[in-house]
Amino acid sequence: EVHLVESGGGLVQPGGSLRLSCAASGFTLSTYGMNWVRQAPGKGLQWVAGIAGGGGRTDYADSVKGRFTVSRDNSKNTLYLQMNSLRAEDTAAYYCARDEAMWFDPWGQGTLVTVSS
Amino acid sequence: QSALTQPRSVSGSPGQSVTISCTGTSSDVGHYNYVSWYQQHPGKAPKVMIYDVSKRPSGVPDRFSGSKSGNTASLSISGLQAEDEADYYCCSYAGTSWAFGGGTQLTVL
Repeated sequence: EVHLVESGGGLVQPGGSLRLSCAASGFTLSTYGMNWVRQAPGKGLQWVAGIAGGGGRTDYADSVKGRFTVSRDNSKNTLYLQMNSLRAEDTAAYYCARDEAMWFDPWGQGTLVTVSS
Repeated sequence: QSALTQPRSVSGSPGQSVTISCTGTSSDVGHYNYVSWYQQHPGKAPKVMIYDVSKRPSGVPDRFSGSKSGNTASLSISGLQAEDEADYYCCSYAGTSWAFGGGTQLTVL
């Protein structure tokens, strides 16, 4: 069964850093594009970043470009999101999602990031 | 990178049909046939209901259907059931990014 499990969320001060992980099971992470999508409390979904399968091209939302980095460790079948220079507006539940073929499935259960002093 | 426009809420009685619209631009919805729709129940992760504008993944009831005309995509749900009450989000590829709609809360009266 295909499964994604995020971890690494928590409380961090403005300007701080955090690294999220997304452990994949039931499929080989390196052969799929993967994405991070976030959802601020009570708000809608917002695409954050993506990494292509194979070659590993990365793309970012303008709001996080230069601050966030998406990567993966194929040996651990794990996706990462390194988040630096965090701001209050980055507070959200962060989901990882597999790019099935230009649509997102499955999604993980999400990990909550709170940026506050 | 602009969000797609959805109505904030729609409602219908059990057995009725509803349609949720999703308006983008010629750079996203109007340009690509990579429109998908996601259902999200409170406290749960999103679940894909429609992909590639009108295709249904295995396991999604045929009460759910999708379409597109110009810059506007639509999700239709027929024969409303109580379990359909949820938030629905459209999503479109936009070249090197993805745009989501603001979400529509469906209430089954």
